[in-house]
Amino acid sequence: DSGVVQSPRHIIKEKGGRSVLTCIPISGHSNVVWYQQTLGKELKFLIQHYEKVERDKGFLPSRFSVQQFDDYHSEMNMSALELEDSAMYFCASSLDRGGVSDYTFGSGTRLLVI
Amino acid sequence: GQGVEQPDNLMSVEGTFARVNCTYSTSGFNGLSWYQQREGHAPVFLSYVVLDGLKDSGHFSTFLSRSNGYSYLLLTELQIKDSASYLCAVRMPNYNVLYFGSGTKLTVEP
Repeated sequence: DSGVVQSPRHIIKEKGGRSVLTCIPISGHSNVVWYQQTLGKELKFLIQHYEKVERDKGFLPSRFSVQQFDDYHSEMNMSALELEDSAMYFCASSLDRGGVSDYTFGSGTRLLVI
Repeated sequence: GQGVEQPDNLMSVEGTFARVNCTYSTSGFNGLSWYQQREGHAPVFLSYVVLDGLKDSGHFSTFLSRSNGYSYLLLTELQIKDSASYLCAVRMPNYNVLYFGSGTKLTVEP
């Protein structure tokens, strides 16, 4: 698969629990962004990393942390999960942080907190 | 919100056209992208515009007016399979982060 790969596809966690979401960008893409989408709502910007450094932060809860590794894959660590964290989580990658290169999205991870 | 607004729903008829509107009032602007999203799937890139005017890309055309904070996506010769949500997103100057609207759900009827 040459696209952006996210895992797991689906996950169910109990309130107060923890979860880790993984994103593998397209080979060579060092710009990775995470979005949250609840049903019928907009894709909400969470955080961006470029070249392994956090560049911009949006609506990322303090209970979540994101890291980008040497091979540019990204992991979102989620703790103290709340019911309202139930959503689709998309990551997207692009070749660079500027120019005409647009983002390619992964298929998303559906998180359900019960 | 993130400063990008779209109508929730739009209906049109197969073989005709549909115009999906988008208005924005963001703190910065480095162009505007349009994506198509089918339910339960990832957004798929359609078009990017940064200059005022109409950009004709065949089935999809896009218009931008930066002074009015307004863009639209025009779909012509509609097919049933064009039924989907269409998302507008403003690229922010800092590292090109996309700020999305909530999307317009287009329904194409026979």
